[in-house]
Amino acid sequence: AQTVTQSQPEMSVQEAETVTLSCTYDTSENNYYLFWYKQPPSRQMILVIRQEAYKQQNATENRFSVNFQKAAKSFSLKISDSQLGDTAMYFCAFMKPFPRDDKIIFGKGTRLHILP
Amino acid sequence: GAVVSQHPSWVICKSGTSVKIECRSLDFQATTMFWYRQFPKQSLMLMATSNEGSKATYEQGVEKDKFLINHASLTLSTLTVTSAHPEDSSFYICSARDRTTPSYEQYFGPGTRLTVT
Repeated sequence: AQTVTQSQPEMSVQEAETVTLSCTYDTSENNYYLFWYKQPPSRQMILVIRQEAYKQQNATENRFSVNFQKAAKSFSLKISDSQLGDTAMYFCAFMKPFPRDDKIIFGKGTRLHILP
Repeated sequence: GAVVSQHPSWVICKSGTSVKIECRSLDFQATTMFWYRQFPKQSLMLMATSNEGSKATYEQGVEKDKFLINHASLTLSTLTVTSAHPEDSSFYICSARDRTTPSYEQYFGPGTRLTVT
């Protein structure tokens, strides 16, 4: 069974700083997707960034980028120029694409506080 | 992006009663919907997967007779918590996707807070 591990339960950084959230996963699959989701106080799940395992290039979305190390099964999220609105719970997630089962498996999350 | 709604957003019910939560895809056909449960300050735990027109597949440890899932149309799935007890109080989130498209993305509803008194 797939597992996703986030080793940092909580982090705090000053506004405008860069912060990196860690994630490791375990799978025997070769084709899969990895995601970072943000859950702000509203509790609405928001997709931050996604990575296809077959792509070697690290995904980037504006201030958000990932460091995907497939052999090490590591998938960290870097937030540059952090903003107060980035304060949220961040979940790393794994998915085997359909026609496998496309269920999303979430890590336990990292609570990120951006301090003014 | 695609929108998924949930109704109600918050419900309070008495112990022993049943409560139904709706999950709707507003602008796409959701061939598959997923139901999650989230306790305070914890992660999302997948409860079940439902495909339109067929029986839901429950994750290990989830009581299918307690959490009834119906996915009768391509835009609506319902979760009914039967004979609710205080320990069923939680935040329930649905997500939906269209398996007929190449998109892998799932779209999440805003969640329903259930409080059982």
